[in-house]
This record gives sequence, structure tokens and C-alpha cells, in this order.
Amino acid sequence: EAGVVQSPRYKIIEKKQPVAFWCNPISGHNTLYWYLQNLGQGPELLIRYENEEAVDDSQLPKDRFSAERLKGVDSTLKIQPAELGDSAVYLCASSLGSGEAFFGQGTRLTVV
Amino acid sequence: SQQGEEDPQALSIQEGENATMNCSYKTSINNLQWYRQNSGRGLVHLILIRSNEREKHSGRLRVTLDTSKKSSSLLITASRAADTASYFCATETSGSRLTFGEGTQLTVNP
Repeated sequence: EAGVVQSPRYKIIEKKQPVAFWCNPISGHNTLYWYLQNLGQGPELLIRYENEEAVDDSQLPKDRFSAERLKGVDSTLKIQPAELGDSAVYLCASSLGSGEAFFGQGTRLTVV
Repeated sequence: SQQGEEDPQALSIQEGENATMNCSYKTSINNLQWYRQNSGRGLVHLILIRSNEREKHSGRLRVTLDTSKKSSSLLITASRAADTASYFCATETSGSRLTFGEGTQLTVNP
């Protein structure tokens, strides 16, 4: 069974440009998380979905970040416009509700 | 915001020694989980301990949980060079919110 798939693995963009990250969770997992991880730090929650509903987006900077999870499966995280400080690894994870979360390999974003 | 705080931030030991990492948290939890992350990779789940459990074992891993002190520890016995990684505790609170600590960087020297 395939794990959580994220793409792209790496992305380099100029500041003020838009960028999008895609996540395909494990089949049947109703909970989907997006995390941001800076170098040497722990993951910070950006948004959590239960099926297609964003149930926890309190830490998502809504002025420039947006996310969607159409049909409760795949999810996309977008930044527009990107800033230098957005350079980080963006991690997607999924789970069957409570319990173990399965993580993708992440997308490393560099904003220049 | 980070719920958990890990201690120490970095740990360097010799192969064969035991490694102990601690995690403290602030609010009531449903469960506490430990994850491992190799450099440049995603996180891998190691073990989950529920709020009504005090100790759990999995292979060379032993996790304890003290809800009165809001703390947990992860013990890796007979460490190997391949155990070199960052280790994170994560607390699950109401509604399946999963919040991570800052992590402990473990280096096991051959």
C-alpha cells in the first residue's frame, strides 16, 4: 500500500510568486494534516481536515495561505504571495482519526 | 505553538549505551506519541501511549507517561548507529489535534 505522497519534493521560487503543494493521503484516512517545519525545529500545525472539512485552521496565516481538500481525499496547500520567511519544509500527514499519523516525505520550499 | 518540550535538545552516546529523552506538555491529552525523523525525511511513528497507560514497550523502546507531572520519557536500549535521528514527542488533544515538541537530536557514535 502506498504511503502519503507529496509533490513536488523540492521547489525554488522567487518572493512574491505563488506556489502550491499537493498531498495524496493514505486511502481511507479521513484526517489530513499540513505542517510546517523549520530547520532544527518540530513540525507546527497549519491546518487539519476531517474529511473535506477544515476543523482546525487557527494557525494558518490566512492572508497568504489557503488550503483545500476536495472530496475529502487529496489536498492542496497554496501560498500567494510567498515571502522569504516561508522557506521551510511542508509536511502532509494522514490518519484514521485518533492515533498514529503517517507522514509524507515533505516539500522543501526555498524562497529567494 | 508547541505543546511539548523535549529534553535534552541534543544527546550524543556510544553504540550499545541507552538513550533517554524526556518530554513535558501543558494540557490534558488523549494520548502521547513518539516519532523519529532521519535527516531530510518525513516523520515515522514509533509508539503511542494512551492517557490511562503508564508504560509501554516496543522492541528496544520503552515509553513512560506520568499524567500528574505531564511528562513522558522515551528510552532506547542498546543503541545502534542507525538510531541516529531526531526524536519528537507529539500530544494528541481533543479533536485529534496532534502537536509536536521541538525534538531531541540523538547521535549514536559507532
